[in-house]
Amino acid sequence: QLQLQESGPGLVRPSETLSLTCTVSGDSIRIPSYHWGWIRQPPGKGLEWIGNIYYSGSTYYNPSLESRLTMSVDTSRNQFSLRLSSVTAADTAVYYCVRSYGDYGMIDYWGQGTLVAVPS
Amino acid sequence: QSALTQPASVSGSPGQSITISCTGTSSDVGAYNYVSWYQQHPGKAPKCLIYDVSNRPSGVSDRFSGSKSGNTASLTISGLQAEDEADYYCSSYTTRSTRVFGGGTKLTVL
Repeated sequence: QLQLQESGPGLVRPSETLSLTCTVSGDSIRIPSYHWGWIRQPPGKGLEWIGNIYYSGSTYYNPSLESRLTMSVDTSRNQFSLRLSSVTAADTAVYYCVRSYGDYGMIDYWGQGTLVAVPS
Repeated sequence: QSALTQPASVSGSPGQSITISCTGTSSDVGAYNYVSWYQQHPGKAPKCLIYDVSNRPSGVSDRFSGSKSGNTASLTISGLQAEDEADYYCSSYTTRSTRVFGGGTKLTVL
């Protein structure tokens, strides 16, 4: 059974960089056709797609976050990561790491989510 | 990219059917048959109910069905049950190779 687990600081100071890692267990991150990504949800609000990465390193980012966003993959550790720079209180959210079929298809696995707070 | 438009809330009685709409544009919902629907209970991660407009993942009840016409997709839940009370989100692939979600719909089972 595939499992995804987010890890990283729960509190990030304004203007600093938010860094999260997702560890994939139960299968290889190198599975063809599957993309790995991040979705966030501010408290009491809806879902926002952040971006996707393929095991080759190809990335697709939300245009509204692209200037602050970097995603990377470490196939040797079966992990992928997110870095979001210059954070503000608006970046406070539960961050989920996910797997999708292609960059267009069903999101079939979700991590449990991790709350990252940026104080105002 | 703008969020897809969903009604903020819908409600229905047990046993009834309800439909949640998801309106986008010709650059997302109308462009491809890559619309999916997710159910989220409080404090939980979302779960996929429908993918590629009308397909159900293994294990999802056939009470959930999806369709699309033009720039609007729809999720129908038939035979409403108490456990269907949750938030529902649509999602679409876009012509910019990105993904966009709807604002979410809170379903109340009366």
